[in-house]
Amino acid sequence: SQTIHQWPATLVQPVGSPLSLECTVEGTSNPNLYWYRQAAGRGLQLLFYSVGIGQISSEVPQNLSASRPQDRQFILSSKKLLLSDSGFYLCAWSVRQGERTEAFFGQGTRLTVV
Amino acid sequence: KNQVEQSPQSLIILEGKNCTLQCNYTVSPFSNLRWYKQDTGRGPVSLTIMTFSENTKSNGRYTATLDADTKQSSLHITASQLSDSASYICVVRRSGGYNKLIFGAGTRLAVHP
Repeated sequence: SQTIHQWPATLVQPVGSPLSLECTVEGTSNPNLYWYRQAAGRGLQLLFYSVGIGQISSEVPQNLSASRPQDRQFILSSKKLLLSDSGFYLCAWSVRQGERTEAFFGQGTRLTVV
Repeated sequence: KNQVEQSPQSLIILEGKNCTLQCNYTVSPFSNLRWYKQDTGRGPVSLTIMTFSENTKSNGRYTATLDADTKQSSLHITASQLSDSASYICVVRRSGGYNKLIFGAGTRLAVHP
């Protein structure tokens, strides 16, 4: 069966420090991978998606970047965190084809920038 | 503009009671609509998925309805349990592309004993 791992679960970082959140998927090949951010009281906002190794699309301009060095690995990064980067970050995957494809989410990372 | 609006924003009910959550959307072109349950501090988990031709879909005590003409959906929870306390998120997928999902802000449900 497929599983998705996301870590760390919580993170407190000072303003201006770098960030690296990692997400890996097991049990599937060639998945679409996504990074979402959820602000308090708001819907999930898509930050990045990837349809293959090295292929990253950004949905919104921001202080973050994403990379996909391996088929089932998706990394969210920042060189210098801002206070506004605080939030709940979720990684998700789905199969490549089909309209009814399910999106499966990781457990999330609560990032607090202080 | 592609949007998903949910109501109420929050809801408190007593254990054993029923409740209905609402979702209105303006997403186009429409592919399907999903309801997710999200426990606090966890990732969302899918409850149901409905396409244009499906009016009702049940998953245990959860029953979702879809009216594609009025672009409305509801999630009905029967005989609520304490474990139903969570946020319920309505999500609409646009047709085509890479699985473009539009998320509502969710309804936060609290079930009290």
